[in-house]
Amino acid sequence: EVQLVESGGGLVKPGGSLRLSCAASGFTFSNAWMSWVRQAPGKGLEWVGRIKSKTDGGTTDYAAPVKGRFTISRDDSKNTLYLQMNSLKTEDTAVYYCTTDKTKGLVVVAVFDYWGQGTLVTVSS
Amino acid sequence: QSALTQPPSASGSPGQSVTISCTGTSSDVGGYNYVSWYQQHPGKAPKLMIYEVSKRPSGVPDRFSGSKSGNTASLTVSGLQAEDEADYYCSSYAGSNNFRNVVFGGGTKLTVL
Repeated sequence: EVQLVESGGGLVKPGGSLRLSCAASGFTFSNAWMSWVRQAPGKGLEWVGRIKSKTDGGTTDYAAPVKGRFTISRDDSKNTLYLQMNSLKTEDTAVYYCTTDKTKGLVVVAVFDYWGQGTLVTVSS
Repeated sequence: QSALTQPPSASGSPGQSVTISCTGTSSDVGGYNYVSWYQQHPGKAPKLMIYEVSKRPSGVPDRFSGSKSGNTASLTVSGLQAEDEADYYCSSYAGSNNFRNVVFGGGTKLTVL
């Protein structure tokens, strides 16, 4: 059974930093592309960014609102995905979900087939 | 403002069919057959219901179907059941040459009357 468990959320002041983790199990994590998707309170879903598997280059893509501030990384030895968030803004307040990012060979198909339960990040002074 | 446009609400009685639309542009929905639909119950994580316009993941009832025409994708739920009451979000791949990459709709709240 695929399991994704996020942790690391909490309250942080504007301009601060936070690192989220996502522990994965039930599938071959090293082969998986992974994404982060967030949801502001009472709002819709927003894609944050993606990291490909190391065998597929290990490259990252980011949404415009977080480019240059957020960094996605992975530790395949620990089956763990990370989201380092710097220079946080109030508009980054959201539940952050870790997801698997289904692939079709090397083609991005933007399909998020498994989701964690999410971790809440609140940016407020 | 979301990149893809969905109606804020939809409703139907048990046993009826309801269709939710998702309108984008030729740069996303119309340009790729990579439209997905997600179901989200209150307080829960989203669940993949449809991918690549019309494919169903294992375990999703065949009451759920997807289609696309031009820049508009649609999700149809047939034989509505009480447990179908949830928020539904569409998404589309939007290319890799800008920072849009993946776009979502604003969500549609489906009410089973």
